[in-house]
Amino acid sequence: GAVVSQHPSWVICKSGTSVKIECRSLDFQATTMFWYRQFPKQSLMLMATSNEGSKATYEQGVEKDKFLINHASLTLSTLTVTSAHPEDSSFYICSAPGSYEQYFGPGTRLTVT
Amino acid sequence: SQQGEEDPQALSIQEGENATMNCSYKTSINNLQWYRQNSGRGLVHLILIRSNEREKHSGRLRVTLDTSKKSSSLLITASRAADTASYFCATDANTSYGKLTFGQGTILTVHP
Repeated sequence: GAVVSQHPSWVICKSGTSVKIECRSLDFQATTMFWYRQFPKQSLMLMATSNEGSKATYEQGVEKDKFLINHASLTLSTLTVTSAHPEDSSFYICSAPGSYEQYFGPGTRLTVT
Repeated sequence: SQQGEEDPQALSIQEGENATMNCSYKTSINNLQWYRQNSGRGLVHLILIRSNEREKHSGRLRVTLDTSKKSSSLLITASRAADTASYFCATDANTSYGKLTFGQGTILTVHP
């Protein structure tokens, strides 16, 4: 089946720094990818829709200048958390739609100290 | 995006028993999907039911969908300790393919 990878799987960074998370579709092309965030013991919340060739679409309440999304190619979307703060510590998961279902990446755990 | 409700929030059963989880949602949907998530890990897709379907089976899983009540249920029969995980329903709305709205989730614990 289709595979979506994420890199890194976990990252620890200092407050105020920026962190980039990559999401790749390994054996299919994805003109659209989705980024979700999951806080501990909570559900997944959609942050934004990444569109190849155009700007990302952000959900209400998500700061687009803080969470920079770049859909660099048909197989790669990146999420950059800028000026990270401890409250940005979370599990970030991307997905790409297939013909039948969504394919989720394994997630990236971000810890901001 | 608004989240659906799932109940129960937590369910604890013995191995061999059946587990039923319910999900309600708010908007018209293309389909509803159920996912499993082991602690701190990624999502595993379990089953998808389309809006024109009422019931679907996959192995020990049975999913029902009632679009008039905007609700779905997931039944896991003959549960195993390995079924211990969080279970989420997710809806794919009419207006945006692939954009999922997740329920709050049910934490299932199966005791051996």
